[in-house]
Amino acid sequence: DTAVSQTPKYLVTQMGNDKSIKCEQNLGHDTMYWYKQDSKKFLKIMFSYNNKELIINETVPNRFSPKSPDKAHLNLHINSLELGDSAVYFCASSRGLEAFFGQGTRLTVV
Amino acid sequence: AQSVTQLGSHVSVSEGALVLLRCNYSSSVPPYLFWYVQYPNQGLQLLLKYTSAATLVKGINGFEAEFKKSETSFHLTKPSAHMSDAAEYFCAVSDGMNRDDKIIFGKGTRLHILP
Repeated sequence: DTAVSQTPKYLVTQMGNDKSIKCEQNLGHDTMYWYKQDSKKFLKIMFSYNNKELIINETVPNRFSPKSPDKAHLNLHINSLELGDSAVYFCASSRGLEAFFGQGTRLTVV
Repeated sequence: AQSVTQLGSHVSVSEGALVLLRCNYSSSVPPYLFWYVQYPNQGLQLLLKYTSAATLVKGINGFEAEFKKSETSFHLTKPSAHMSDAAEYFCAVSDGMNRDDKIIFGKGTRLHILP
């Protein structure tokens, strides 16, 4: 049973398109995150939600909009995709200190 | 604000040799510290964590790390490297368990194992 699952695993799209990445966790955790990993492997937090409430919103363009329909799901919608959005996006969840990560979604904008 | 610095973006060791990956942290409060491993095309997996109990922390796959407050360090070691240890390793820090606390990652160290 996958603890944190993201779909799709790969996403190739053209500039200007709108796309969504879905994330689900079956661990019963209260907190979920989105991280972006760039081509140099640098991991940067984008958002965190706790029980469907937005807690952390780093300096991310407002083209990125997270949505949490319930505490087991945190989706990421991206409008008007740009070349610089190409990266691997990781969803994670935690209760307390340990974060569990999904397998990542490799987004390529062409 | 907390941060971590990993010394060396690439480290190469021979199979069977000691692995030492360096991490220094900065935090205004007693930190929680972590090491994560990322295998190719996979997500991050927790190796070990320091939560202000024992300063020497043992993790999975034979790894351990020692918290040294005087040196603000949390280096990761393994006595004998195995080929399967080749991966990207991330040191991370968090201030605590409040809702708005976040885990801040270092830039990662790629570990290469030489046969």
